[in-house]
Amino acid sequence: AQSVTQLDSHVSVSEGTPVLLRCNYSSSYSPSLFWYVQHPNKGLQLLLKYTSAATLVKGINGFEAEFKKSETSFHLTKPSAHMSDAAEYFCVVSVSDRGSTLGRLYFGRGTQLTVWP
Amino acid sequence: GAVVSQHPSRVICKSGTSVKIECRSLDFQATTMFWYRQFPKKSLMLMATSNEGSKATYEQGVEKDKFLINHASLTLSTLTVTSAHPEDSSFYICSARPGPTLTYEQYFGPGTRLTVT
Repeated sequence: AQSVTQLDSHVSVSEGTPVLLRCNYSSSYSPSLFWYVQHPNKGLQLLLKYTSAATLVKGINGFEAEFKKSETSFHLTKPSAHMSDAAEYFCVVSVSDRGSTLGRLYFGRGTQLTVWP
Repeated sequence: GAVVSQHPSRVICKSGTSVKIECRSLDFQATTMFWYRQFPKKSLMLMATSNEGSKATYEQGVEKDKFLINHASLTLSTLTVTSAHPEDSSFYICSARPGPTLTYEQYFGPGTRLTVT
């Protein structure tokens, strides 16, 4: 079975300080992992993805994430937060369904990032 | 590239009426499209998966006669909410996966806010 756990529902940081959004996954098969960002009343934008290549993945807007198989984690980080980073972030896992290639996405519950000036 | 549009972005309808939401992949062909529902401050819930030219696969608990999905072409899928009720009010998001593809990345539309009065 596949599942995603985002350990924090809310994270607050000051502008210019580091960001850490935590994500742990459970997967019966080799997973693909994604981080998406959603601004209010908007769709989802892909930040970065891991698909069994390099374990340290760099994404857009200065974000990066490291796939750690031993810890089943895929935490999202950014060295210095900007006000524009305030949004909802979703960690997502995808695998081939058994007997199928639909590539269903399994979403975490989301982490709301607040950035204080 | 990889842009997905949704129309309308917002719709208000009266209880008992039906409303159609369109999802289009603008610059790629999507063999598979997905429809999600997002409740306030909640994660995305997969409603159904549609493959071009075949019947949609609905998730458990989603009424297929209420949420009609049509994927008539490789660039267009529609979701029709029939006999809408206030509890159907939600944010509906579609996504599209290019085909054929070796990864399971999905590109998301901007969402449609449905309000049933």
